[in-house]
Amino acid sequence: KNEVEQSPQNLTAQEGEFITINCSYSVGISALHWLQQHPGGGIVSLFMLSSGKKKHGRLIATINIQEKHSSLHITASHPRDSAVYICAARRSGSEKLVFGKGTKLTVNP
Amino acid sequence: NAGVTQTPKFQVLKTGQSMTLQCAQDMNHNSMYWYRQDPGMGLRLIYYSASEGTTDKGEVPNGYNVSRLNKREFSLRLESAAPSQTSVYFCASSRDGHSYEQYFGPGTRLTVT
Repeated sequence: KNEVEQSPQNLTAQEGEFITINCSYSVGISALHWLQQHPGGGIVSLFMLSSGKKKHGRLIATINIQEKHSSLHITASHPRDSAVYICAARRSGSEKLVFGKGTKLTVNP
Repeated sequence: NAGVTQTPKFQVLKTGQSMTLQCAQDMNHNSMYWYRQDPGMGLRLIYYSASEGTTDKGEVPNGYNVSRLNKREFSLRLESAAPSQTSVYFCASSRDGHSYEQYFGPGTRLTVT
């Protein structure tokens, strides 16, 4: 079993819908990262969080340390949100990230 | 600021050939990383460098060597390329490895025939 599991693997939505992507991890962590990989291949960091909730524009990331679970929410989704979203966990005491396999999101107009 | 740059963007090698992938960052970051990304798999760490002069193995180091030439540059070398090394390679950097987000380069798509 992978240390970091994401669901769903693929997600198709209509423009304007509320999107939730889930990430579960099985190791002790010091931080949880959410990344976005554009269709062209570039990867950008969206959030890094170790507790609670962070918000940036229409994106919200939450983490529940006790349940070892994080979610990424997108409100009022738009076709430009179409991308692969990747969850990555930093193990406690380590500099290394362990990555999920990604969730491919397609938002149709 | 260019952020993290990688060269080349694309490369085709024959089995047994060698090559070096170059990575540079202009953000004065201490930590640098090399990852590979394969279809159906998450990003996997090949090597990382916590600071100038130090390197350490990641999850999949076999067949690769690295050099942290200075604080800016971190290169990845394939001494004898194999088809299993066909992948997309990403370099990343971070202010430090524990508390800060990572910034990624644009990637190098390598095909070994």
